[in-house]
Amino acid sequence: DIVMTQSPDSLAVSLGERATINCKSSQNILYGSNNKNYLAWYQQKPGQPPKLLFYWASSRKSGVPDRFSGSGSGTDFTLTISSLQAEDVAVYYCQQYYSTIYTFGQGTKVEIK
Amino acid sequence: EEQLVESGGGSVQPGGSLRLSCAASGFTFSNYEMNWVRQAPGKGLEWVSYISTSLTSIYYAESVRGRFTISRDNTKNSLYLQMNSLRAEDTAVYYCASGRGLLGTFDLWGRGTLVTVSS
Repeated sequence: DIVMTQSPDSLAVSLGERATINCKSSQNILYGSNNKNYLAWYQQKPGQPPKLLFYWASSRKSGVPDRFSGSGSGTDFTLTISSLQAEDVAVYYCQQYYSTIYTFGQGTKVEIK
Repeated sequence: EEQLVESGGGSVQPGGSLRLSCAASGFTFSNYEMNWVRQAPGKGLEWVSYISTSLTSIYYAESVRGRFTISRDNTKNSLYLQMNSLRAEDTAVYYCASGRGLLGTFDLWGRGTLVTVSS
């Protein structure tokens, strides 16, 4: 199975500051024939199901604020919140769908400093 | 409005069985591939199983293969998960989820149903 490893496990950021979450896959998840990275990002707030933020590593889902951005390719990916807002407090997960055995990262908890 | 509603969770002893259901509404269920994803209390997300629109492709996580069976009834707009030989480590909130056609992602989620395996 493809192992997804996120870092850090948690981070505290001041309001208006940048938050950066890293995600590393144990193998390449860039599919050569279509040049797409099979990587998604989710946000989960307490008591709620997860919400899809990005697919293909950097395609923002409609309605997601543009302070969120996704980047990376191959095995290394990043979710960035350019200016943290109070409503961004949540746990964030990366997930690969390159393999039919889908796997998530362990999650990164984002809090306000 | 597209909606998924899970049911069937509860408490069961180790070795027991449960059948979860997921009722879909607000969209053409037969057009969407479906999944079960679980989350143990205070833990992260774990994908459990996938079923294609036409039932021709089914996949399982290694942790449940041979014990869980996913199925769907497109005439009833419903997804199911038959869980046998349950273990304490199967305790989790079980979500049904779909990528809405974007295979492998999870864009539409239910609210989940809690399964507790304990003696």
